Amino acid sequence: AQKVTQAQTEISVVEKEDVTLDCVYETRDTTYYLFWYKQPPSGELVFLIRRNSFDEQNEISGRYSWNFQKSTSSFNFTITASQVVDSAVYFCALGSRLTFGEGTQLTVNP
Amino acid sequence: GAGVSQSPSNKVTEKGKDVELRCDPISGHTALYWYRQRLGQGLEFLIYFQGNSAPDKSGLPSDRFSAERTGESVSTLTIQRTQQEDSAVYLCASSQGQAFYGYTFGSGTRLTVV
Repeated sequence: AQKVTQAQTEISVVEKEDVTLDCVYETRDTTYYLFWYKQPPSGELVFLIRRNSFDEQNEISGRYSWNFQKSTSSFNFTITASQVVDSAVYFCALGSRLTFGEGTQLTVNP
Repeated sequence: GAGVSQSPSNKVTEKGKDVELRCDPISGHTALYWYRQRLGQGLEFLIYFQGNSAPDKSGLPSDRFSAERTGESVSTLTIQRTQQEDSAVYLCASSQGQAFYGYTFGSGTRLTVV
């Protein structure tokens, strides 16, 4: 069975702070995909990143960066210099059938 | 269409009634998924269609839930004899087939059972 754990239920930061959202996963598959999605208050899920299991290079996209460590089964997401518009629920997901974590509610205060 | 379209966007129904939720995937997307999201919770997998293969129904919570898809087009999720615990947002996603291509989600149908 697959499982995704996002231990942080809620995080609150002040604008311009850096924040890291944790994601730990379990799978017996040798090849798999990991995803991060953002769900703003409007409710629609916004795709952020996809990572396959055989590519452990970290990735940076603007203020976003992702740290994938297969050895610890973690796929953490960092927002640098957070902004109020980053406030949303962030979901980590695993696999071809998308097993989701419970999400982390990020609130960025001005 | 340009995105995944779901209808209705909101549905209020009385306990015990049947409801049908519709999903129009992106044209050409062979894979289609249904998820349920209860208030303040993560997404719960319900069912997965891939082309003409038999659907993966392993996530359906009870026999009151069923879904159909004709070919690679529209899908309907039917909930019979609705219960209050069925109240949730039902999300549909489509994909070109493999996880590599990513998924596009619709805006969801918010179902309220009163």
